[in-house]
Amino acid sequence: DAKTTQPTSMDCAEGRAANLPCNHSTISGNEYVYWYRQIHSQGPQYIIHGLKNNETNEMASLIITEDRKSSTLILPHATLRDTAVYYCIVMDTGRRALTFGSGTRLQVQP
Amino acid sequence: EAGVAQSPRYKIIEKRQSVAFWCNPISGHATLYWYQQILGQGPKLLIQFQNNGVVDDSQLPKDRFSAERLKGVDSTLKIQPAKLEDSAVYLCASSLRQPSGGLWNEQFFGPGTRLTVL
Repeated sequence: DAKTTQPTSMDCAEGRAANLPCNHSTISGNEYVYWYRQIHSQGPQYIIHGLKNNETNEMASLIITEDRKSSTLILPHATLRDTAVYYCIVMDTGRRALTFGSGTRLQVQP
Repeated sequence: EAGVAQSPRYKIIEKRQSVAFWCNPISGHATLYWYQQILGQGPKLLIQFQNNGVVDDSQLPKDRFSAERLKGVDSTLKIQPAKLEDSAVYLCASSLRQPSGGLWNEQFFGPGTRLTVL
């Protein structure tokens, strides 16, 4: 699985968009980008995933650059409940266990 | 839909004691995972089951850790004897199947068991 690099922490004002970057410069053609988040004292929760096209669901949007070497998770209107650690994971399929890094700790400020 | 259930939620033991954790996955989920999450780190896979068979246990410290999923439903993870460095949150996750062809297979996580070894 390709290695990912994420900022250790970020702050965002409530109601504003939170943009969480992830670098994955060694990604290969068959590897997907997955995002999970972990709210304090809970297990990780799936957010979104994509291969090369931008994706959107009810939780977030995923923007993947054309060369696929980086991506951005966008929470369009962050709330206090979005305070969590966000993990960017790159792997070839969803068949196997997830390999988590240290993630980005997002603090949404009132 | 009921989620992944784990018990106990918290456990405190002394080193060299034994401990067991229980997980009940979402009904119908064939694949079950146990992860260990040390404070400040992301979860790390310990073992993966497909039904009642082991798919991957390469990162399980087999001298002290064991896990079973006898009927292909719920699972137990045991540590015997525990060491100080086993203090962590133990997360159980399940997914519907282990598909072929690269199909997405979302993993659902339980709340975890927080183990403190003194």
